Amino acid sequence: AQRVTQPEKLLSVFKGAPVELKCNYSYSGSPELFWYVQYSRQRLQLLLRHISRESIKGFTADLNKGETSFHLKKPFAQEEDSAMYYCALGLAGTYKYIFGTGTRLKVLA
Amino acid sequence: NAGVTQTPKFQVLKTGQSMTLQCAQDMNHNSMYWYRQDPGMGLRLIYYSASEGTTDKGEVPNGYNVSRLNKREFSLRLESAAPSQTSVYFCASSEVAYNEQFFGPGTRLTVL
Repeated sequence: AQRVTQPEKLLSVFKGAPVELKCNYSYSGSPELFWYVQYSRQRLQLLLRHISRESIKGFTADLNKGETSFHLKKPFAQEEDSAMYYCALGLAGTYKYIFGTGTRLKVLA
Repeated sequence: NAGVTQTPKFQVLKTGQSMTLQCAQDMNHNSMYWYRQDPGMGLRLIYYSASEGTTDKGEVPNGYNVSRLNKREFSLRLESAAPSQTSVYFCASSEVAYNEQFFGPGTRLTVL
């Protein structure tokens, strides 16, 4: 069965420290992977997708098909990065997406 | 552009009552989605509409119906609300499959 796992419900780091939000997926097809972010009192919005291979707000994520992972990383966390982060998997040949349960990131001053 | 709009923002229902959640997008997107968000469960797809005139079940469709009224609008109906349907409901749209999804602000529904 298709599944997205985000093992950490809450991740607290100090400002300036590196951040890694973990995402593992289970899917036999060709995955389309996304990271979405929800800042306080704002809508859920796309942060980045694996196919674009770009860095947004200093965040990067690399698809590792061997480990079926798509971890989100940032070398130096900022207080404004505090938010809820969701990893999402798009299922090839369908319009369906599977979201992980989310990780709340708190960046402490 | 307003993007994706949802009405109402909040709603309290009694068990057995019915209601329709409204969603509209002004981005000329083909695909629209309804999700529910529950603590510890993430977002789960209820129904989606790949294009105008089509709808399909997602992961958790039981107890819900949908209507793709036109390209802009996609409504979600609860015929007989149950406490298990207490949740935050999000509507989303995307231009095509696997593109960025744009989300609405959500509707917080409580069923007593």
